[in-house]
Amino acid sequence: SQTIHQWPATLVQPVGSPLSLECTVEGTSNPNLYWYRQAAGRGLQLLFYSVGIGQISSEVPQNLSASRPQDRQFILSSKKLLLSDSGFYLCAWSVGPSYEQYFGPGTRLTVT
Amino acid sequence: GQQLNQSPQSMFIQEGEDVSMNCTSSSIFNTWLWYKQDPGEGPVLLIALYKAGELTSNGRLTAQFGITRKDSFLNISASIPSDVGIYFCAGPGGQKLVFGQGTRLTINP
Repeated sequence: SQTIHQWPATLVQPVGSPLSLECTVEGTSNPNLYWYRQAAGRGLQLLFYSVGIGQISSEVPQNLSASRPQDRQFILSSKKLLLSDSGFYLCAWSVGPSYEQYFGPGTRLTVT
Repeated sequence: GQQLNQSPQSMFIQEGEDVSMNCTSSSIFNTWLWYKQDPGEGPVLLIALYKAGELTSNGRLTAQFGITRKDSFLNISASIPSDVGIYFCAGPGGQKLVFGQGTRLTINP
């Protein structure tokens, strides 16, 4: 069966510090991968998605970037965090043409 | 772009009551998905609908794909405390999903 992992689960970082969040999927090959941010417990904002290694589409111009160095690994990064980057970050995967997305447990980021 | 309007935004009900929520789209969809998010966790896919008029159940949950293909409905029967959470509808938008803003369900014991 497929599983999706995200780490860390929680993170507290000062303004201006770098960020790296990691997402890995097991049990499937060539998944589509997605990064979402959720503020205040409502609404899912799509940040990036990837249909293959090295292929990244950005939805919202901002302080963040994404990379996909391996088939089942998706990384969200920032060089300098802003207070507005605080939120709940969710990674998700889907297979091929299916729209069914499956979410990871999330990372709670607090920028202080 | 495509937008989903989900209503109500919040519901406060008594345990044991039935719940109804809906989602409408500005354009025709060929897929409707319903997710539930528990506090502090990632959303979980509850039901997927692929055909206009389709009615699908998952335990006490029943979802319907509207015949106009621009709406979908989710019903929960005989609510219990573990039904608390945020329910999201979603539909296809190119290679991505478009999500509604969610319905927050609170249950009073």
